[in-house]
Amino acid sequence: QITLKESGPTLLKPTQTLTLTCTFSGFSLSTRGVGVGWIRQPPGKALEWLALIYWDDVKRYNSSLKSRLTITKDTSKNQVVLTMTNMDPVDTATYFCAHTATEVAFDYWGQGTLVTVSS
Amino acid sequence: DIVMTQSPDSLAVSLGERATINCKSSQTVLSNPNNKNYLTWFQQKPGQPPKLLVYWASVRESGVPDRFSGSGSGTDFTLTISSLQAEDVAVYYCQQHYSSPWTFGQGTRVEIK
Repeated sequence: QITLKESGPTLLKPTQTLTLTCTFSGFSLSTRGVGVGWIRQPPGKALEWLALIYWDDVKRYNSSLKSRLTITKDTSKNQVVLTMTNMDPVDTATYFCAHTATEVAFDYWGQGTLVTVSS
Repeated sequence: DIVMTQSPDSLAVSLGERATINCKSSQTVLSNPNNKNYLTWFQQKPGQPPKLLVYWASVRESGVPDRFSGSGSGTDFTLTISSLQAEDVAVYYCQQHYSSPWTFGQGTRVEIK
């Protein structure tokens, strides 16, 4: 079955760079049509789509955060990495990674990881 | 970017009654070549990741109770819970993946009256 798990730091200081890793199993990111995305959710607030990478290395980014985001994949390790630069307290959120395939939006999600930005 | 607007922000419904959530997109999410609406509904309970309920606007995900149904096309969509159960208390989100960046609605909180 498909599983995804997010990992990374739980606490960052302002201006630092966040690096999150999504480790998945049950599918291959070299299969046509498959993608992995990142979504975040500040405490008590709505979901916000951040970035997506496809099997063919096509990448898509949130318009307002594009300058701060980089998404990459390591197919051999079954991992997708998201980096976000210049972190600010407003970036405090639970960060989720999720699977997408065959034109269906996110059908499998990780449990999420809470990242707090504070001095 | 396509803006997704849900209404209402919250609603309270009696057990066994119907709950209706609306979602409006600022541009069409209907793909003409395949006549599919790239509109998805999610349910999120506290402390959990979102759960896929309905995709392509009206296709219920496997295992989702049939009291959940999606409808609409183009820019206007609806998620209906035909007979609200206690376990349906949650926040519901619509999302479009017609064009990048994918965008979510602000969420609708459903509670028991």
